[in-house]
Amino acid sequence: KAGVTQTPRYLIKTRGQQVTLSCSPISGHRSVSWYQQTPGQGLQFLFEYFSETQRNKGNFPGRFSGRQFSNSRSEMNVSTLELGDSALYLCASSPWTGLPQHFGDGTRLSIL
Amino acid sequence: AQTVTQSQPEMSVQEAETVTLSCTYDTSESDYYLFWYKQPPSRQMILVIRQEAYKQQNATENRFSVNFQKAAKSFSLKISDSQLGDAAMYFCAYRSADGGSNYKLTFGKGTLLTVNP
Repeated sequence: KAGVTQTPRYLIKTRGQQVTLSCSPISGHRSVSWYQQTPGQGLQFLFEYFSETQRNKGNFPGRFSGRQFSNSRSEMNVSTLELGDSALYLCASSPWTGLPQHFGDGTRLSIL
Repeated sequence: AQTVTQSQPEMSVQEAETVTLSCTYDTSESDYYLFWYKQPPSRQMILVIRQEAYKQQNATENRFSVNFQKAAKSFSLKISDSQLGDAAMYFCAYRSADGGSNYKLTFGKGTLLTVNP
């Protein structure tokens, strides 16, 4: 069974730009959740989608948004990038909401 | 707001021995879930074990078991017969079970476990 796939693996952007990250869950998993991982703040929950609906949301500004498609693939968008957005962004999938099981390798986003 | 504390930034264990990773949390809720995740170097993070707060029996998954002390708000992970493949960053996490609450996970800062041959 293929694992959780995140693309791209690495991204370099400049302040003010926007970026879209992609996450393909394990086949059959309907929940996709997103996390930001930094050395200072650790792992922080961004949001979760289940069956194309946002179910849960963390404490991040509105610049962070997402969506989920009918095939359960999810995208996360960050607009007006700031230096502090530099991080490893992880997504996780699960058959159930609120119980992330398998994580992807992450997308490492660097803001210059 | 819920907080999760892992007081041991790093731990080490000899292969085949037992190690316990600590986790404490703060919450005013009575029903919730607790999790341990494992993030090996350069590999994907996976769920190791989970515990429902309403269950008195401690969860077990093969060599991994937890010691859940609800009154003390403590949730430690015991790894028995440690193997080289157990070397990883371990994260403790909390999630409310209240259907009306936000199902967001709150993570601890992690404990880096080294297994010595």
